[in-house]
Amino acid sequence: DTAVSQTPKYLVTQMGNDKSIKCEQNLGHDTMYWYKQDSKKFLKIMFSYNNKELIINETVPNRFSPKSPDKAHLNLHINSLELGDSAVYFCASSSGGMNTEAFFGQGTRLTVV
Amino acid sequence: AQSVTQLDSQVPVFEEAPVELRCNYSSSVSVYLFWYVQYPNQGLQLLLKYLSGSTLVKGINGFEAEFNKSQTSFHLRKPSVHISDTAEYFCAVSPNNAGNMLTFGGGTRLMVKP
Repeated sequence: DTAVSQTPKYLVTQMGNDKSIKCEQNLGHDTMYWYKQDSKKFLKIMFSYNNKELIINETVPNRFSPKSPDKAHLNLHINSLELGDSAVYFCASSSGGMNTEAFFGQGTRLTVV
Repeated sequence: AQSVTQLDSQVPVFEEAPVELRCNYSSSVSVYLFWYVQYPNQGLQLLLKYLSGSTLVKGINGFEAEFNKSQTSFHLRKPSVHISDTAEYFCAVSPNNAGNMLTFGGGTRLMVKP
């Protein structure tokens, strides 16, 4: 039973399009995250979200927006896609508190052409 | 703010040899420390973590790491590697007063050769 699942696994789209990546966790965690891994494997936090607070990495363009319909889901919406958005996007979740292990999804490889 | 430096981008090693993957960090606040492993086309899996207490931390798959506060290091070690350990390894920190927003190092590719 997958703990953190993302769909789709692969996404190829044209510049200028709007797309969404879905993420669901069945761990009962309070906090969810989105990370971006670029072509050089460098991982960077984009957002942290729980039902009280959204923390945004200031370097993330406002074309990116997280949407959480409920505690188990945190979807990533991207408007006006650009070539530089091509990357692997990872969703993660954690319970917060002292047990700060983050569980990661399998990633979504986004290719903008 | 935090930063993490993994000093080696690639580490080639023969099977059954010992290995050390180096990680140094800087932070203005106390942090928790983590090592994650990423196998090809997979997500990240936690190897081990340091929250407090003993500075020597044992993780899965025979890996261990030692937290050295004076040197701000958290090096990962394994006494005898297997072919199956070939993967990308990421060191990460999170501030211990603000949830679990991880700052990652650039990764070290461990390549185990027969």
